[in-house]
Amino acid sequence: DTAVSQTPKYLVTQMGNDKSIKCEQNLGHDTMYWYKQDSKKFLKIMFSYNNKELIINETVPNRFSPKSPDKAHLNLHINSLELGDSAVYFCASSQDNERSNYGYTFGSGTRLTVV
Amino acid sequence: AQSVTQLGSHVSVSEGALVLLRCNYSSSVPPYLFWYVQYPNQGLQLLLKYTSAATLVKGINGFEAEFKKSETSFHLTKPSAHMSDAAEYFCAVRLALSFGGYNKLIFGAGTRLAVHP
Repeated sequence: DTAVSQTPKYLVTQMGNDKSIKCEQNLGHDTMYWYKQDSKKFLKIMFSYNNKELIINETVPNRFSPKSPDKAHLNLHINSLELGDSAVYFCASSQDNERSNYGYTFGSGTRLTVV
Repeated sequence: AQSVTQLGSHVSVSEGALVLLRCNYSSSVPPYLFWYVQYPNQGLQLLLKYTSAATLVKGINGFEAEFKKSETSFHLTKPSAHMSDAAEYFCAVRLALSFGGYNKLIFGAGTRLAVHP
């Protein structure tokens, strides 16, 4: 029973297209995240939602728009895709409160290739 | 600002040898520290975490890490490497945001561990 699931696993698309990546968690966590892993394996946070509310919005082009219909889902929509958007995108979730000291649970990633 | 630095982007060991992956942190408050492992074409899996309890933390797959405040380090070790340990390893620190009790994980650049026969 997958805890954090992302779809699709692979996505190949042309420059200028619009695409979406979906994420769902069944852990009952309150907070979800999107991370981007570049070709050098560096991981950087992009967005975070807590109970459908945006709480972290790092310096990300506004072509990227997250949407959280409920606390178990966090989707990422990307407009006008560029070559530099090629990366692996990870969704994660956590139970986020003062007493929480657990790490994040990550999905298996979506490898986006823009050609 | 809180951050982590992983020394050595590539580490190569023989099967059965000691594994030592280095992580140093920078934090003005007691940190929460984590080690994650990423196997090829997979997501990140939590190996272990330090949350201000015991300074020696044991994780999965025989890994452990010791929190040393005086050295601002949280190095990952395993006494005897196995071929299946070949992966990318990430050290991370939890950065508390200034509002709402929220936080985000800041990752180091990663260390690729190769294990040869």
